[in-house]
Amino acid sequence: QVKLQQSGAELVKPGASVKLSCKTSGYTFSTSYMSWFKQIPGQSIEWIGMIYAGDGGTGYNQKFKGKATLTVDTSSSTAYMDLSSLTTEDSAVYFCARAGGDYWGQGVMVTVSS
Amino acid sequence: DIQMTQSPSFLSASVGDRVTINCKASQNINRYLNWYQQKLGEAPKLLIYNANSLQTGIPSRFSGSGSGTDFTLTISSLQPEDVATYFCLQHNSWPWTFGGGTKLELK
Repeated sequence: QVKLQQSGAELVKPGASVKLSCKTSGYTFSTSYMSWFKQIPGQSIEWIGMIYAGDGGTGYNQKFKGKATLTVDTSSSTAYMDLSSLTTEDSAVYFCARAGGDYWGQGVMVTVSS
Repeated sequence: DIQMTQSPSFLSASVGDRVTINCKASQNINRYLNWYQQKLGEAPKLLIYNANSLQTGIPSRFSGSGSGTDFTLTISSLQPEDVATYFCLQHNSWPWTFGGGTKLELK
């Protein structure tokens, strides 16, 4: 069955960077798209961007350009998202989802605090 | 960006009630509209894709309708396990955008 397993919760200092992972199984990762989302608890969801695992091609929400960088490792069927220059406004739950939004990872809480 | 206006924000209903949730897009999105259910502390779960297609494994009491700018999610007979927040998502054009959510509780 399709599974997306995200890395564990992160506590990071302002100004730092963090790399989140999303390890997949149960489908052909190398010919699929992966989207990433941000959700502040109690609020709605924002789409960060999408990556095609076949060639690494990406598309970003303008709001997150310069903040998020999406990459993939097809050898391990894993997608990654780098978040840079973190501020308290980046504190949120981040989800990966197979494009189309049919299968989602469990989410990872990122807390930015000194 | 396409704005998705979801209503109502909160909904209280009884077991067995018919429940409807609406989403209005700021421009034509054809049928590229998904509905999600999210329970506290969990990831969103896809219920309906492309406006009216029921995702595999989702009970038939959930249905979707609409096209263009106006869409509806209907729960034909509310069950206790349907207590959750519901979101619509347009995937017609980038950036994908979500509605503000509808929190559904039991009366």
